[in-house]
Amino acid sequence: SQKIEQNSEALNIQEGKTATLTCNYTNYSPAYLQWYRQDPGRGPVFLLLIRENEKEKRKERLKVTFDTTLKQSLFHITASQPADSATYLCALDPHGSSNTGKLIFGQGTTLQVKP
Amino acid sequence: DTAVSQTPKYLVTQMGNDKSIKCEQNLGHDTMYWYKQDSKKFLKIMFSYNNKELIINETVPNRFSPKSPDKAHLNLHINSLELGDSAVYFCASSQITQVSSYEQYFGPGTRLTVT
Repeated sequence: SQKIEQNSEALNIQEGKTATLTCNYTNYSPAYLQWYRQDPGRGPVFLLLIRENEKEKRKERLKVTFDTTLKQSLFHITASQPADSATYLCALDPHGSSNTGKLIFGQGTTLQVKP
Repeated sequence: DTAVSQTPKYLVTQMGNDKSIKCEQNLGHDTMYWYKQDSKKFLKIMFSYNNKELIINETVPNRFSPKSPDKAHLNLHINSLELGDSAVYFCASSQITQVSSYEQYFGPGTRLTVT
């Protein structure tokens, strides 16, 4: 069956450390994978998109990797701050190269950064 | 300057009633979506319209009917509400004709509570 799973429901780290979140998928061949941030009571906010032919993407303190062999994406936040505390969602296009924009979301990982 | 707006933000109603949620985007995007986020925070796509044409119609009860009067608006009408319909409903938009990126912009959500 097709699945997209994110590691653990909650991740607690100390301020200044690097947070690493995992997204694994099975029986999908996505052309791209996206990461979103969701704060309580708000809609998800787009952070990064990485394509199947890209190994790594960076944006400020954020870094995303995409390994299509392992069927895994890693999301890193370096020098984490309490303001980074939120739920992070990964999403992929289930059909690969489809132009419908359809996304399948993981269940999210809640990150708590402690001062 | 809200990019994607939804009304109402909260909706409390009784079983059996009919209700509508409205969504508007001012980003000039060609595609709009409805998602349902349940109590376990899973975000699932329900419908998608591209230039007023239905392109994604997931397995959703017939009691849910989307309507897109123009490409900037996508409304969701729900008939005969049931307890299980209680969730947060998010509207989103994207520009899927742009090859460079398929990120989605989400509204603030409508929390529907059926009693």
